[in-house]
Amino acid sequence: DAGVTQSPTHLIKTRGQQVTLRCSPISGHKSVSWYQQVLGQGPQFIFQYYEKEERGRGNFPDRFSARQFPNYSSELNVNALLLGDSALYLCASSLVTGLSYEQYFGPGTRLTVT
Amino acid sequence: GQQLNQSPQSMFIQEGEDVSMNCTSSSIFNTWLWYKQEPGEGPVLLIALYKAGELTSNGRLTAQFGITRKDSFLNISASIPSDVGIYFCAGPGNEKLTFGTGTRLTIIP
Repeated sequence: DAGVTQSPTHLIKTRGQQVTLRCSPISGHKSVSWYQQVLGQGPQFIFQYYEKEERGRGNFPDRFSARQFPNYSSELNVNALLLGDSALYLCASSLVTGLSYEQYFGPGTRLTVT
Repeated sequence: GQQLNQSPQSMFIQEGEDVSMNCTSSSIFNTWLWYKQEPGEGPVLLIALYKAGELTSNGRLTAQFGITRKDSFLNISASIPSDVGIYFCAGPGNEKLTFGTGTRLTIIP
């Protein structure tokens, strides 16, 4: 069975630009979460979506937004990119929400902002 | 907010040695998860713990859910080169996972 897939794998953007990252969950998983991982740190929660609705949001500015599609895939958008947005962006899927345990992660998208 | 502190921060061991690491929280968790992350990859779920005092094994890995529900431990027996990576504990709550600070494991040839 395919795991969580993310695209693109790497991305280089300039300050002020906008970026869209994509994620496809494990088949049968209806919940998708996004995390940002800065080098040397653990992942930090950005959003959780379940059944196309936002169920949780981390401490990130409004420049970050996301959505979930009817097929449960998801996109993360970041506007007005800053140098500090450079990080590995991870998508995770899970079977249930409410209890966000057993999240399965994709390989991530490495975003570099110059 | 919730904080998960892991120790040690890094470990340098020889192949074949046993490894122990722990994770402590400022608040109670009802579930503990342990993940391993290798360079350029996403975290991989190793073990999930659901009950205080629970001891769960996955091959050479054994994890325990502390009685106080504020800590968890991970042991790796007879380490091998592919055990290299960063090990994270994580606790769920409020629709998210909170990750620990990580323990980096390096195996000396």
